[in-house]
Amino acid sequence: SQTIHQWPATLVQPVGSPLSLECTVEGTSNPNLYWYRQAAGRGLQLLFYSVGIGQISSEVPQNLSASRPQDRQFILSSKKLLLSDSGFYLCAWSVPGYNSPLHFGNGTRLTVT
Amino acid sequence: AQTVTQSQPEMSVQEAETVTLSCTYDTSESDYYLFWYKQPPSRQMILVIRQEAYKQQNATENRFSVNFQKAAKSFSLKISDSQLGDAAMYFCAYRSPEIDSGGSNYKLTFGKGTLLTVNP
Repeated sequence: SQTIHQWPATLVQPVGSPLSLECTVEGTSNPNLYWYRQAAGRGLQLLFYSVGIGQISSEVPQNLSASRPQDRQFILSSKKLLLSDSGFYLCAWSVPGYNSPLHFGNGTRLTVT
Repeated sequence: AQTVTQSQPEMSVQEAETVTLSCTYDTSESDYYLFWYKQPPSRQMILVIRQEAYKQQNATENRFSVNFQKAAKSFSLKISDSQLGDAAMYFCAYRSPEIDSGGSNYKLTFGKGTLLTVNP
């Protein structure tokens, strides 16, 4: 069966520090991968998605970047965090195809101080 | 662009009773998928139920069922025999057969969510 791992679960970082959140998927090949942000406990904002290694699409221009160095690995990064980057970040995967739901990781709660 | 509207920011239900969460969407497409996700206090997003637009029969998963009205573009979620563990934020989502401009991703649009409280 497929599983998705996302870490860390909680992170407190000072303004201006770098960020690296990692997500890996097991049990499937060539998944579509996604990073979402959820602020204030409501609404999901799609940040990035990837349909293959090295292929990243950005939905919202911002202080963050994403990379997919391996088929089942998706990384969310920032060189310098802003206060506004605080939020709950969710990684997700799906099988390619519009009939496929997204399957989410447990999320990372990021607090920028 | 597709939009998904959940008109009830908050709902409450007594334990063991039935509650219906509403969701409407706007689309010009004839085939698509609809989903309900549950986000409990742990904040993990859990898929509850899915419905294909071409299927007239409403999907059912144990105590969860949907009322899919394609012409009305309505996709409500009914929770029967509500349990304390059903307390969560519920998100309706629409998945389009339209491919995103950046690649082969099919667009997925979420509603803003309905916070369900279950009273003992």
